[in-house]
Amino acid sequence: EIVLTQFPGTLSLSPGEGATLSCRASQSISNSDLAWYQQRPGQAPRLLIYGASSRASGIPDRFAGGGSGTDFTLTITRLEPEDFAVYSCQHYHHGGSPTWTFGQGTKVEIK
Amino acid sequence: QLQLVESGGGVVQPGMFLRLSCAASGYSVSPYGLHWVRQAPGKGLEWVASISHAGGDDKYTADSVKGRFTISRDNSKNTLYLQMNNLKLEDTAVYYCARWGGTPRSGYYMDVWGKGTTVTVSS
Repeated sequence: EIVLTQFPGTLSLSPGEGATLSCRASQSISNSDLAWYQQRPGQAPRLLIYGASSRASGIPDRFAGGGSGTDFTLTITRLEPEDFAVYSCQHYHHGGSPTWTFGQGTKVEIK
Repeated sequence: QLQLVESGGGVVQPGMFLRLSCAASGYSVSPYGLHWVRQAPGKGLEWVASISHAGGDDKYTADSVKGRFTISRDNSKNTLYLQMNNLKLEDTAVYYCARWGGTPRSGYYMDVWGKGTTVTVSS
């Protein structure tokens, strides 16, 4: 079973600053199987990035996904007030019995 | 636009059962697979179960709930279900339904989510 570890646990930043969030897989995974979600307080998750680097519909271009192998990143340039939230990475495992695994999340909070 | 609305959550004692529903509106979900994902208080997201599109109807369940939870769908009602038996304290969470999006090339992800329904298991 692949484990996703996200770091840091919390990022304290000011609006207008940039953020880089990391997601490390316990073994090499395909880029196509890595997605990122945003969850604002009290809300459901929202798909941001799929295939490691493709933005989902309606996602602003200040969000960018990157990485390969075991190390993936979500970069947010110029944080807007609505970007302060929890971000989770997710892996889809192929196979006879597919599974989906999430990282524990990174909280981006206002400094 | 597709909307998913969960219902059926509540407060139950350990060992009891609940059935969650997820009603889709806006258009038919029969061409799509669907998921249940949960989030315990203060914790991260945890995948619970998935069911493939109407034609396939394959079901997949996380080890943590295997043998206790069953996912099903009624395409005539455009509704997804989660039958949860023998509930445990650690099943306390917000339960979300989500659409199974993507392709073999783009990868598979969850692209439309409901707002969730809360399940509390307490003695």
